[in-house]
Amino acid sequence: NAGVMQNPRHLVRRRGQEARLRCSPMKGHSHVYWYRQLPEEGLKFMVYLQKENIIDESGMPKERFSAEFPKEGPSILRIQQVVRGDSAAYFCASSSGTSGSGHNEQFFGPGTRLTVL
Amino acid sequence: DAKTTQPTSMDCAEGRAANLPCNHSTISGNEYVYWYRQIHSQGPQYIIHGLKNNETNEMASLIITEDRKSSTLILPHATLRDTAVYYCIVRVSNTGNQFYFGTGTSLTVIP
Repeated sequence: NAGVMQNPRHLVRRRGQEARLRCSPMKGHSHVYWYRQLPEEGLKFMVYLQKENIIDESGMPKERFSAEFPKEGPSILRIQQVVRGDSAAYFCASSSGTSGSGHNEQFFGPGTRLTVL
Repeated sequence: DAKTTQPTSMDCAEGRAANLPCNHSTISGNEYVYWYRQIHSQGPQYIIHGLKNNETNEMASLIITEDRKSSTLILPHATLRDTAVYYCIVRVSNTGNQFYFGTGTSLTVIP
């Protein structure tokens, strides 16, 4: 059973270009979360999605950032017109979202390291 | 979700037990305590969670005080591979809410 997959693992973009980060959740998981980690800092929540729906985007910057989780295919975090301050590690996590067992841990992918030149 | 306070860093001798404390004095009755760790820029790894009873699994033990205002993660026999940043998080469990990661405790296991 494969874990959470993220690609690419490393992405280099020049200022003004677009960055697309992909996340395939664990099999059977329909909840996806995106986090950003700046150097020497903890992870910061960005957005929480279920299939075809954005549930909570309270951590997303208001401009240039968008996320989707289509019915088919991976979740995509899209950053338009990247700036140097977007350089960070972006982690995706997935969960089953079930509450019957009383807990709902998230399983994290290996991350995508974005470098903006 | 309640806020947590952890020491910035700790050292532990290899083979000894590592005891990582966490304060969560504002925890609510329906909030669980979760522990994750992040090994050198990898994705965070789930360790353990609990509500009010002590918990143990193959990785660690979690001791929660009776008033639930603090907890301790115990790695019984620390190895060099346990060197990581350990995050203590409290949140309502049975929702899809995000985890709020603080700065965690950087644990260094010394040979």
